[in-house]
Amino acid sequence: QSVLTQPPSASGTPGQRVTISCSGSSSNIGGNYVYWYQQFPGTAPKLLIYWNNQRPSGVPDRFSGSKSGTAASLAISGLRSDDEADYYCAVWDDSLSGVVFGGGTKLTVL
Amino acid sequence: EVQLVESGGGFVQSGGSLRLSCAASGFIFSRYWMHWARQAPGKGLVWVSRINSDGSTTNYADSVKGRFTISRDNAKNTLYLQMNSLRAEDTAVYYCLRAPGGADDYWGQGTLVTVSS
Repeated sequence: QSVLTQPPSASGTPGQRVTISCSGSSSNIGGNYVYWYQQFPGTAPKLLIYWNNQRPSGVPDRFSGSKSGTAASLAISGLRSDDEADYYCAVWDDSLSGVVFGGGTKLTVL
Repeated sequence: EVQLVESGGGFVQSGGSLRLSCAASGFIFSRYWMHWARQAPGKGLVWVSRINSDGSTTNYADSVKGRFTISRDNAKNTLYLQMNSLRAEDTAVYYCLRAPGGADDYWGQGTLVTVSS
């Protein structure tokens, strides 16, 4: 059971907008930066969003992040078939003195 | 180009030990905090441990505290994870990472550790 709660699955059709939530607490999301990762089977995670809502160079602006209180979300607009992957939120937890990852959300493009 | 290359994974019996290494290149290794994370087959990512730039500060996930030790050799640009008293539930791909921290986020390709009960 992860400290950060993500829905196990999400889905959408090509072109749609999908949102993935990440719920935490005051000791993690409430006081620290949130990161989002995309992972394809058999590969290492790739950073999509850092510092709650910043995109590294090379990440399309279809991906956006937001944070409010103890919750964060990742939005993917203009959904494409190659967006089908697992998505994880991550944040430092002050109480645990460690990084915590969400349980991951498997995105299916119908 | 930043590269992180893990090695040392393999098959080990329950109760055994293994030492993972992560060779870093393409950046000034001695300036960065470094982390280990793991992913059991078909499961999500789990943070394992981190170490500060000079090795004087370390943190561990509760699940590995007292059994795993993170260390580094800045002269060799290498990060280590000594894993003792291994259990079946430690079976996972172990990643070395210079992340999270900002836009510059790097992960190794991972090394598989299989613990047989």
